[in-house]
Amino acid sequence: EVQLVESGGGLVKPGGSLRLSCATSGFTFSSYSMNWVRQAPGKGLEWVSSISAGGSFIYEADSVKGRFTISRDSAKNSLYLQMNSLRAEDTAVYYCARGGTSDWSFGYWGQGTLVTVSS
Amino acid sequence: EIVLTQSPGTLSLSPGERATLSCRGSQSVSSSNLAWYQQKPGQAPRLLIYGASSRATGIPERFSGSGSGTDFTLTISRLEPEDFAVYYCQQYGSSPFSFGPGTTVGIK
Repeated sequence: EVQLVESGGGLVKPGGSLRLSCATSGFTFSSYSMNWVRQAPGKGLEWVSSISAGGSFIYEADSVKGRFTISRDSAKNSLYLQMNSLRAEDTAVYYCARGGTSDWSFGYWGQGTLVTVSS
Repeated sequence: EIVLTQSPGTLSLSPGERATLSCRGSQSVSSSNLAWYQQKPGQAPRLLIYGASSRATGIPERFSGSGSGTDFTLTISRLEPEDFAVYYCQQYGSSPFSFGPGTTVGIK
C-alpha cells in the first residue's frame, strides 16, 4: 500500500525557517517524481514544487522561488521542503504528492501538515 | 504560464443527475497533460482522471474526462451522494503545474 506521511509543520514567525518531510512507503521511491502542493485556509490548491525521479529536474512556483528548496533522499525514501524567509501568505496545509513514472499527474497524496506563519 | 479557469464555480444538483464541469486553459495543454482531482472537506485531494481522459485506479466508471488543447470536461454521469465535493483541474505539461480555482458540486 502506497503511503505518504508529512511532518515538520508548525507555528513559525515571519522571516523564519521550517523543513517539511514526507516519509514514503509501499513503492519504489527512486522511480517516481514527487511534489509539494499547498492549500491556504479556505482556499484552493496551489502547486509549490516538483522534483523528477532522479532529482535532476526541479520546478518551482514563482511565489516560492529563491525561498523554498525541494529535495529527496532515496536512501530514506523521503521528500523534503526547506522553507526559508517565511511570510504570512505561506500559511497553508502542505501536501506531499507522488507523481508517475511517465505521467506526472499526482496519483497519491499524504494527509498534509499545517504551516502557520504568524508573529 | 498556463492559467486554468473552471466553470461553473458552483453546481447545485440532485443525486442521480448528470454533472458537467469545464476547465479551460489560457494556452494549449501539451500532450493532454490534464488531470482532475476531487477533494472533500478535511481530506487530501484524490486523483480522478489523468491524461485528460484516463481514469485513475479505483475510480468508478461514472467519472469520465474529455477534451484537448485548451478545453477539457469532467462528466459525472449519475451523481452519487459521495460525489458532492470540490473538483480541481490541473495541467502538468509545463511548469508551473497550475491548478484551476475549483468547481463545487453541491446538493440541490
